[in-house]
Amino acid sequence: EADIYQTPRYLVIGTGKKITLECSQTMGHDKMYWYQQDPGMELHLIHYSYGVNSTEKGDLSSESTVSRIRTEHFPLTLESARPSHTSQYLCASSESRGFTGELFFGEGSRLTVL
Amino acid sequence: QKEVEQNSGPLSVPEGAIASLNCTYSDRGSQSFFWYRQYSGKSPELIMSIYSNGDKEDGRFTAQLNKASQYVSLLIRDSQPSDSATYLCAVKVGGGTSYGKLTFGQGTILTVHP
Repeated sequence: EADIYQTPRYLVIGTGKKITLECSQTMGHDKMYWYQQDPGMELHLIHYSYGVNSTEKGDLSSESTVSRIRTEHFPLTLESARPSHTSQYLCASSESRGFTGELFFGEGSRLTVL
Repeated sequence: QKEVEQNSGPLSVPEGAIASLNCTYSDRGSQSFFWYRQYSGKSPELIMSIYSNGDKEDGRFTAQLNKASQYVSLLIRDSQPSDSATYLCAVKVGGGTSYGKLTFGQGTILTVHP
């Protein structure tokens, strides 16, 4: 089983709150990703990182921000949550050498903004 | 046109039958293709990868790739109820051999009934 962890698993908050979704992996992977997935819909890449201090926006525009200060940690932050941010957020990592296409996913953080 | 499109589901097959899942992609330069399986409430996991035209077999699973037609498929032989899940087609985008991102299709829900 992959060693990638997300917290919280479930979060219900009010509009305007700041939230941070945590993602940590213990595999030493350089590459990490955040995907957003709504029920029955495809995964959309919102952020990715190829190493410490490297972050890029993904294909789907997102008001969230990310940071990569340590290899193992890739948190996602929403400064002011809105109901449109309600979704499942999946963090993933992949091996440092080459790109095999195998992403190791965390269990996800399901965010509900009231 | 979506970058990765999968045949609309849900797909229901009897136990022991062959399940056929299809996927088309828009970027003719794509070189790497993947099938992920996602059980309800769980995160996706990689089950097959294919890079060359033709068939690739792994146990009961066969991936087929036709780059001229920009078409990828997954066949599941002797389908079992435990195969019931959403199957996601993914295509590697950019990055050469060391990096890259995956673009996912919307998924096909497969139900195998006893």
